[in-house]
Amino acid sequence: GAVVSQHPSWVICKSGTSVKIECRSLDFQATTMFWYRQFPKQSLMLMATSNEGSKATYEQGVEKDKFLINHASLTLSTLTVTSAHPEDSSFYICSASGGLKNGAAVDEQFFGPGTRLTVL
Amino acid sequence: GIQVEQSPPDLILQEGANSTLRCNFSDSVNNLQWFHQNPWGQLINLFYIPSGTKQNGRLSATTVATERYSLLYISSSQTTDSGVYFCAVATGGFKTIFGAGTRLFVKA
Repeated sequence: GAVVSQHPSWVICKSGTSVKIECRSLDFQATTMFWYRQFPKQSLMLMATSNEGSKATYEQGVEKDKFLINHASLTLSTLTVTSAHPEDSSFYICSASGGLKNGAAVDEQFFGPGTRLTVL
Repeated sequence: GIQVEQSPPDLILQEGANSTLRCNFSDSVNNLQWFHQNPWGQLINLFYIPSGTKQNGRLSATTVATERYSLLYISSSQTTDSGVYFCAVATGGFKTIFGAGTRLFVKA
């Protein structure tokens, strides 16, 4: 498999502040990264798809000005939750896919450990 | 868009029992994965299986793409198998849709 890290693993912030979450693919260069959101006891909901060097594609209902995504390199994508409010509290998970690992195409998605955001 | 249905939604097993989890999808897919989400939220890749059959230890999976379903078999279940099992499919490119999951609890 492949290794994807996320930082931070948890964050508590005050309402109105912005929070940045980093997602890194550690052992392959991912052409595509995804951001998901998961509420307690629910499934993962895709928020956006990002490709290195281009603008992210957001799913219907996801505010692009609220959830800023930057995919500056093949190993790093960031999600910034701007002016966070309590309703933004959730578990955010990134995944990476595409590209090559040891010369082989990476067709499956590999997930980071997630970031638990609590907005007070 | 594509619909992904998983069954059963909840499952309680006695340690040592076998089980089958099902994933039905409403359209052709070019990618199907099974994941196990542990109690800490980490998604663990179990199988990448757009078609055919694969086995890994006590787990095996079969996808019949023409009939739009996939099955995950767990044999000789252990308490560490507890958690949520997700089926996720992609129809084109990499956009992936998750099913609602099967919540498994294995009793000692």
